[in-house]
Amino acid sequence: DVKVTQSSRYLVKRTGEKVFLECVQDMDHENMFWYRQDPGLGLRLIYFSYDVKMKEKGDIPEGYSVSREKKERFSLILESASTNQTSMYLCASSLGGGKNIQYFGAGTRLSVL
Amino acid sequence: GENVEQHPSTLSVQEGDSAVIKCTYSDSASNYFPWYKQELGKRPQLIIDIRSNVGEKKDQRIAVTLNKTAKHFSLHITETQPEDSAVYFCAAWGYGQNFVFGPGTRLSVLP
Repeated sequence: DVKVTQSSRYLVKRTGEKVFLECVQDMDHENMFWYRQDPGLGLRLIYFSYDVKMKEKGDIPEGYSVSREKKERFSLILESASTNQTSMYLCASSLGGGKNIQYFGAGTRLSVL
Repeated sequence: GENVEQHPSTLSVQEGDSAVIKCTYSDSASNYFPWYKQELGKRPQLIIDIRSNVGEKKDQRIAVTLNKTAKHFSLHITETQPEDSAVYFCAAWGYGQNFVFGPGTRLSVLP
């Protein structure tokens, strides 16, 4: 069973803080993704990675960065958190090589005050 | 880029009735169309998917149909049960593209 683990279920941060959201998968998946989920907007792709040390911008990368130093770990970084980044953040992974079923983590609900 | 629309945004059905959720996509290069179910407070999970070389796929009470010409695909749930209540997301993907998700449909199955 694929396991995608996000380090925190809930986070409360202050405006201007640097925030790290961590995601780990245990199935040796090539691809990892960070999404943001807001009501009525579905899942929007922030960043993704198809390999270690590789990253690509998704549809809404502004205000975010990522790090993938190891294959199993993909971190989302908010350099200076703002209130409009209050949201649910979902990490996902997929095997790659045409096997593109995405497996999601449980999500991190971030509140920026 | 790809754009996925999904209708309706909310759907209420009586237990035992059928539910249909429809999605349209814009990029004819998209060739993989999954459906995810997200129960309250839980992670999205794949429930069924279809590739562009197939017109219909069934798995027990759920089925997905794809019309490539019209660029739309639909999720059909028969004999709905209370545990079918959730938010359902469709998505579209093509080689060299990212997944693009629809905005979601909140399905409520009323006892």
